[in-house]
Amino acid sequence: GDSVTQMEGPVTLSEEAFLTINCTYTATGYPSLFWYVQYPGEGLQLLLKATKADDKGSNKGFEATYRKETTSFHLEKGSVQVSDSAVYFCALSVASGGSYIPTFGRGTSLIVHP
Amino acid sequence: DAGITQSPRHKVTETGTPVTLRCHQTENHRYMYWYRQDPGHGLRLIHYSYGVKDTDKGEVSDGYSVSRSKTEDFLLTLESATSSQTSVYFCAISDPGDSQPQHFGDGTRLSIL
Repeated sequence: GDSVTQMEGPVTLSEEAFLTINCTYTATGYPSLFWYVQYPGEGLQLLLKATKADDKGSNKGFEATYRKETTSFHLEKGSVQVSDSAVYFCALSVASGGSYIPTFGRGTSLIVHP
Repeated sequence: DAGITQSPRHKVTETGTPVTLRCHQTENHRYMYWYRQDPGHGLRLIHYSYGVKDTDKGEVSDGYSVSRSKTEDFLLTLESATSSQTSVYFCAISDPGDSQPQHFGDGTRLSIL
């Protein structure tokens, strides 16, 4: 079946450090790929998405590029802030019988220290 | 922010009792989802709906049922709650023309003793 694998957390960084959170996927069809962010005590928010190979999704300084050849969608940010501390979820979605059912990874916790 | 309200936000109940969680949206969106979130498992889809009276099962649907009699409301029912259903439950909706969950409620923390 379809699945998403994220790097284990927590990822601990100092403010202004470079962030990479790895995400790889397996899918039977041609998926769309997503990153979500969950701040403490809140629901998930869609952060960015990419729907075809080589597309780059970006939002709030975060970027991820859809790499079909390596089945990856790594999340990057050039300079993290304390306010970026959250749990980040990679997800994919593949059409199935007219619907798109998303599959989520287990989440990666990011902790940014001042 | 998308208008999604989950109720109750917290609930403690006993094994064997029925429990109903409500998700209400003000966006008139077609797709609605129920997920549970557990440590080490991420988010897992319980049920989803693609319209009034149109629902389907997700990967962890056993022990759960849903109903959608109006566009704005999506109810999740645990007919006879078990301790394994202790979790945080999230409702989500999709933007028009899109079936990916994009807006989530703030969650319901359910504890079954």
